[in-house]
Amino acid sequence: QVQLQESGPGLVKPSETLSLTCTVSGDSIRSNYWSWVRQAPGKGLECVGYIYNTGTTNYNPSLKSRVTISIDTSKNQFSLNLNSVTAADTAVYYCARLRAVAGSVGWFDPWGQGTLVAVSS
Amino acid sequence: DIQMTQSPSSLSASVGDRVTLTCRTSQSISTYLNWYQQKPGKVPKLLIYAASSLQSGVPSRFSGSGSGTDFTLTISSLQPEDFATYYCQQSYLTPLTFGGGTKVEIK
Repeated sequence: QVQLQESGPGLVKPSETLSLTCTVSGDSIRSNYWSWVRQAPGKGLECVGYIYNTGTTNYNPSLKSRVTISIDTSKNQFSLNLNSVTAADTAVYYCARLRAVAGSVGWFDPWGQGTLVAVSS
Repeated sequence: DIQMTQSPSSLSASVGDRVTLTCRTSQSISTYLNWYQQKPGKVPKLLIYAASSLQSGVPSRFSGSGSGTDFTLTISSLQPEDFATYYCQQSYLTPLTFGGGTKVEIK
């Protein structure tokens, strides 16, 4: 079955860059859309952005100036970079496959286990 | 952005109860609405997509309905493993947005 696994530092200093990688198994990253969703402690879910295998991206406007999502088809991985982080970026970061129908993105399934990233000095 | 409002924010119910959760959107989204279940410390799980399609492997006691701006998730007979937080998510427009969640607790 399709599995996703996030990896990256669990602690990032304020003003620095948060970098995470998601490794996909059981599906080719050349198909589907791939996304990042985050959840601040005790809060709801927020879509950070997503990428297609062509490199086409879509970012949440609230984060757009700070976010970059990239894809490495040779490794079946995609990555998230979020720069100039503050304490407000502390969250569990999930990677997820974003299913599409008739060219329109739809629902997130499945999800990785999530990784907690704390922003603190 | 499309705003998603879930109600109630929390509810208490007993095993065997029929439970209905509501999601309202700030503009019409046809049936571009999905539902997730999240248990404490766990990963969100897709239950319903496109407003009423049951994800494979999800028990049939879960059902979804609605179109336009008003949607419901119904659990026909609440089971102990159903106590969780439920989120709706729209995919009509980007940015993709989620509701604030409804927490279903044990009475």
